[in-house]
Amino acid sequence: GENVEQHPSTLSVQEGDSAVIKCTYSDSASNYFPWYKQELGKGPQLIIDIRSNVGEKKDQRIAVTLNKTAKHFSLHITETQPEDSAVYFCAATGYGQNFVFGPGTRLSVLP
Amino acid sequence: EPEVTQTPSHQVTQMGQEVILRCVPISNHLYFYWYRQILGQKVEFLVSFYNNEISEKSEIFDDQFSVERPDGSNFTLKIRSTKLEDSAMYFCASRTTGPTQYFGPGTRLTVL
Repeated sequence: GENVEQHPSTLSVQEGDSAVIKCTYSDSASNYFPWYKQELGKGPQLIIDIRSNVGEKKDQRIAVTLNKTAKHFSLHITETQPEDSAVYFCAATGYGQNFVFGPGTRLSVLP
Repeated sequence: EPEVTQTPSHQVTQMGQEVILRCVPISNHLYFYWYRQILGQKVEFLVSFYNNEISEKSEIFDDQFSVERPDGSNFTLKIRSTKLEDSAMYFCASRTTGPTQYFGPGTRLTVL
C-alpha cells in the first residue's frame, strides 16, 4: 500500500520568511496530492492540492510542486505570517480512494 | 459555505461502553469517510462509505466498529465496546465525485 513520509517534523521560521515542507510517496499509482492545515483542536482544512498531470500550482502565498519521477511533492509558503502557525499534513491517494497522510509538520512562525 | 459538522465535540466514556459518533456531511456529497487521529500522531483512515455500503476499510476497523447512514443527512460511527486505545480524535469527511475530501471539526473520544 501507499506510504507517505514528510519532512521536517518541526519547522520554525521568522515572520516574512519562506517555509518549505517536503513529502515523498511510494505508490506510483497515486495521482492526487492534497495539503491540509490543522489548527489546534480543529479538523484538517484543505489549503491546496495538485493532480499528477500538473507540475506546479500556486494560490497567493502558497504553492505546491510535484515531481512524479522522484515521487515527491512540496509545499511552499512565502511571506509567512503568525497565523500560518499550525500542523501541516500532506496526503497521497489514487483518485477517489482514501487518503494516506504523512506524519505532519508543526510550523511555527516567530514574530 | 457548507461544511461537515460533527457531534459531540467531546465524548467521555467508560471502557466497555458503546459510543456513537455523529456526522452530518455536506448535503450534496456522496462519499463519506471516518478517520482517527491519536494525540500527536497522523490522521489514519478507518472506513469509506458509498451508496449505503462500506467501500473500503482499514485493519483498524475491526468488528467493534460499524457505520451507518440512518437517514438522508447523518452518518454515524459506532464503537460497540470501547477500549482505552480507542481514545483519539475522530474525523468525518465527505466528498462529491471529485477527489477532495472535506473534514469536520472532529470528536474527541476519551475512554477511561
